[in-house]
Amino acid sequence: DQQVKQNSPSLSVQEGRISILNCDYTNSMFDYFLWYKKYPAEGPTFLISISSIKDKNEDGRFTVFLNKSAKHLSLHIVPSQPGDSAVYFCAASVMNRDDKIIFGKGTRLHILP
Amino acid sequence: GAGVSQTPSNKVTEKGKYVELRCDPISGHTALYWYRQSLGQGPEFLIYFQGTGAADDSGLPNDRFFAVRPEGSVSTLKIQRTERGDSAVYLCASSLVGGSEQFFGPGTRLTVL
Repeated sequence: DQQVKQNSPSLSVQEGRISILNCDYTNSMFDYFLWYKKYPAEGPTFLISISSIKDKNEDGRFTVFLNKSAKHLSLHIVPSQPGDSAVYFCAASVMNRDDKIIFGKGTRLHILP
Repeated sequence: GAGVSQTPSNKVTEKGKYVELRCDPISGHTALYWYRQSLGQGPEFLIYFQGTGAADDSGLPNDRFFAVRPEGSVSTLKIQRTERGDSAVYLCASSLVGGSEQFFGPGTRLTVL
């Protein structure tokens, strides 16, 4: 039973345009959400996070939006650059617990020249 | 700067054999996590150490899997009587304290023939 769902296995976006990656979750206990980026043969690297008390967090070209009522979050990358081509994992955790992060299956983003 | 390192990077073994996978966390990080990433899936939590003790081992799939961290630094994931279904990338992550940002190693790709 997937608690964090990324329904798009892949996404292609023209360089310079906006990339929007979507994520849904089912567990209402989650109160902290993260996006990780992964290149081949490397471990995931942390990109951006948001706590459930916010609905938006921005860091440079990356913005994460959280809609708690819909249990949905999205990552916006603008403008998209070639180096953004990677697999993006949406993840969630419960803040007062210090152990597991629950990951989605990932979305492979291709930035087209 | 030394990140999380994992050895070996690749391990091929035969069904029924025993394997050990090693993780060297970032120096000073007290929390250490093991995840498993199967093909087409996101990382799946296995076990979390705070110091030397396993604070949460709820993700270990069965009693063939065991992990230790005897001195609170290096950790070893041990798999007995390997099965073909154990084939995956095993990821290790560490964080300064439990609940803070997790830094991932590059993973060990285990193939069970």
